[in-house]
Amino acid sequence: AQTVTQSQPEMSVQEAETVTLSCTYDTSESDYYLFWYKQPPSRQMILVIRQEAYKQQNATENRFSVNFQKAAKSFSLKISDSQLGDAAMYFCAYRGRNNNDMRFGAGTRLTVKP
Amino acid sequence: GAVVSQHPSRVICKSGTSVKIECRSLDFQATTMFWYRQFPKQSLMLMATSNEGSKATYEQGVEKDKFLINHASLTLSTLTVTSAHPEDSSFYICSASDRGTSLKRAFFGQGTRLTVV
Repeated sequence: AQTVTQSQPEMSVQEAETVTLSCTYDTSESDYYLFWYKQPPSRQMILVIRQEAYKQQNATENRFSVNFQKAAKSFSLKISDSQLGDAAMYFCAYRGRNNNDMRFGAGTRLTVKP
Repeated sequence: GAVVSQHPSRVICKSGTSVKIECRSLDFQATTMFWYRQFPKQSLMLMATSNEGSKATYEQGVEKDKFLINHASLTLSTLTVTSAHPEDSSFYICSASDRGTSLKRAFFGQGTRLTVV
């Protein structure tokens, strides 16, 4: 079974600074999808960024980028120029290419200090 | 973008009663919907996968007779918590995948906070 591990329960960053959230996963599949979701206090899950495993190029969405290391099964999220609105729970998630369900990590609570 | 609407957002019910939660895909056809449960300060735990026109697939440890799932159309799935107990109090979230990009993208509902008293 696939597992997703987020080893940082909490992280803190100064406004305008950069922070990296870690995620590792375990799978025997060769093709899959990885996601980072943001969950603010409203509890609405918001997709931040998505990476397809067969693509070597790291995904980027404005201030958000990932460092995808397939051999190491690592998928970290970098947030640049952190903003107060970035404060939330961040979940790393895995979905196999032939599976429909998504597996989530335990989450990292990000605090942004003004 | 695709929208998934979940209703109600909050519900309080008495022990022993049943509660129905609806999950609708508003602008796309969802062949598959997923139901998650999230305890405070914890991650989302998949409860079951709902496929349109067929029986739901439940994760290990989830009581299918207690958590009834119906996916009668391509835009609606319902989760019914039967004979609710206080330990069923939790945050329930649905997500849906569309036919076109079913494995690349999942859209989440707003969630339902269930409190059983």
